[in-house]
Amino acid sequence: KAGVTQTPRYLIKTRGQQVTLSCSPISGHRSVSWYQQTPGQGLQFLFEYFSETQRNKGNFPGRFSGRQFSNSRSEMNVSTLELGDSALYLCASSVGAQETQYFGPGTRLLVL
Amino acid sequence: QKEVEQDPGPLSVPEGAIVSLNCTYSNSAFQYFMWYRQYSRKGPELLMYTYSSGNKEDGRFTAQVDKSSKYISLFIRDSQPSDSATYLCAMSNYGQNFVFGPGTRLSVLP
Repeated sequence: KAGVTQTPRYLIKTRGQQVTLSCSPISGHRSVSWYQQTPGQGLQFLFEYFSETQRNKGNFPGRFSGRQFSNSRSEMNVSTLELGDSALYLCASSVGAQETQYFGPGTRLLVL
Repeated sequence: QKEVEQDPGPLSVPEGAIVSLNCTYSNSAFQYFMWYRQYSRKGPELLMYTYSSGNKEDGRFTAQVDKSSKYISLFIRDSQPSDSATYLCAMSNYGQNFVFGPGTRLSVLP
């Protein structure tokens, strides 16, 4: 069974731009969570989607948003990028909400 | 105080050593505990998960949970250079999001 895939793997943007990241979960998994990972803050939870509904949201500003499609694929959008948004963005999928999560390889975003 | 604390390391051990990685937490509502391994520039990989206090063994890995002390451990026996990675503990209470520790960097020297 294929694992979680994330595209693109690497991105370079400039301040003020917006970016959309994509995540395809493991087949049969209906829950997708997004995390931001930085050396200083570690893994921080952004939000979780289950059956196209946002179930939980972390403490991030409204510039960070997401959505999930009927095929469980998910996208994450960051608007008005700031230098501090440079990070590894990880997507994790699970069969159901709040079940064991399996991570993708991440999208490394650099904001200049 | 952070909800989950973990010694960031780095921890260096010789090949074949027994490694002990530890996390402490403050939220007594946590019921579900996991350990992930993350190689450089890769996503975290699930190693072990457990719902209960006590020990759970899988090959060279043993996860230990002590809910009364709010303390979890991961033991690696006969450590190998391929075990060199960052180890993350994670925990949750059903219905809430997962909380991760900051990770411990482990180097196993040949």
